[in-house]
Amino acid sequence: GAVVSQHPSRVICKSGTSVKIECRSLDFQATTMFWYRQFPKQSLMLMATSNEGSKATYEQGVEKDKFLINHASLTLSTLTVTSAHPEDSSFYICSVLDTSRGNEKLFFGSGTQLSVL
Amino acid sequence: EDKVVQSPLSLVVHEGDTVTLNCSYEVTNFRSLLWYKQEKKAPTFLFMLTSSGIEKKSGRLSSILDKKELSSILNITATQTGDSAIYLCASSPTSGTYKYIFGTGTRLKVLA
Repeated sequence: GAVVSQHPSRVICKSGTSVKIECRSLDFQATTMFWYRQFPKQSLMLMATSNEGSKATYEQGVEKDKFLINHASLTLSTLTVTSAHPEDSSFYICSVLDTSRGNEKLFFGSGTQLSVL
Repeated sequence: EDKVVQSPLSLVVHEGDTVTLNCSYEVTNFRSLLWYKQEKKAPTFLFMLTSSGIEKKSGRLSSILDKKELSSILNITATQTGDSAIYLCASSPTSGTYKYIFGTGTRLKVLA
C-alpha cells in the first residue's frame, strides 16, 4: 500500500503564529488527499479534500481561510493553520486515497499533534 | 445527515476472549465500508467491504457487511494484548467522491 509521511509529528507554538504541516506520498502519486482532525478519544473528523492542481473542498464548518490547503504536486499536500489559537490544538492527520487495482483504500500519515499556547 | 455509529464505545476483555465490534451506517449512495485499527497514531487498514454477506478474513480478524441492516461487524477471536487499540469504521456517503465518514470508534483493551 501507499507509504505516507507526515511532518512534523509534534509542534508547539505561540498563539497567533502559523503552522505548516506537510503530507507526502512517498511511493504513490496521489491525486486526492484528505485532512482530518481528531480530538482526544474521538473519531476522525474530515476537514477537507485536497485535490492536486485545484482548490481544496472544505467540509461544512471548516474555515478555509483558517486552514489553508495546498496540493501543488502529486506527492505533497500541506495544511497551514493560520493565526493559531489554543482551540486549534488537536491531532491533525492526512490520508492518501489509493484507488488502483479496483480497490479503494485510505493510507494515513502518522499525524501531527499541535499544541497552541 | 450521513452518519456512522459504532458500538460499544469501549470494551475490556481478557486474552483469549472473542469480541464483536459493531458498525452501523446511514449514508446516501453507499459504496463501501472500511475498517481500521488505530494503535498510536496512524490508522492501519484492515478490511474493505462492498458486498453483503461475504466474509473477509485476515488471521484472527474477520468482518462481514449486511446491507439490509446497514451494518457491519468486526470479529476478533483469541484476542491478544496486541489487539488493544481503537477500531474505526468508515463509510463513503457520496458516489462520485471518495470522502469517508468515520465512526466514533471502539476502544478495545485486552488484559493479560
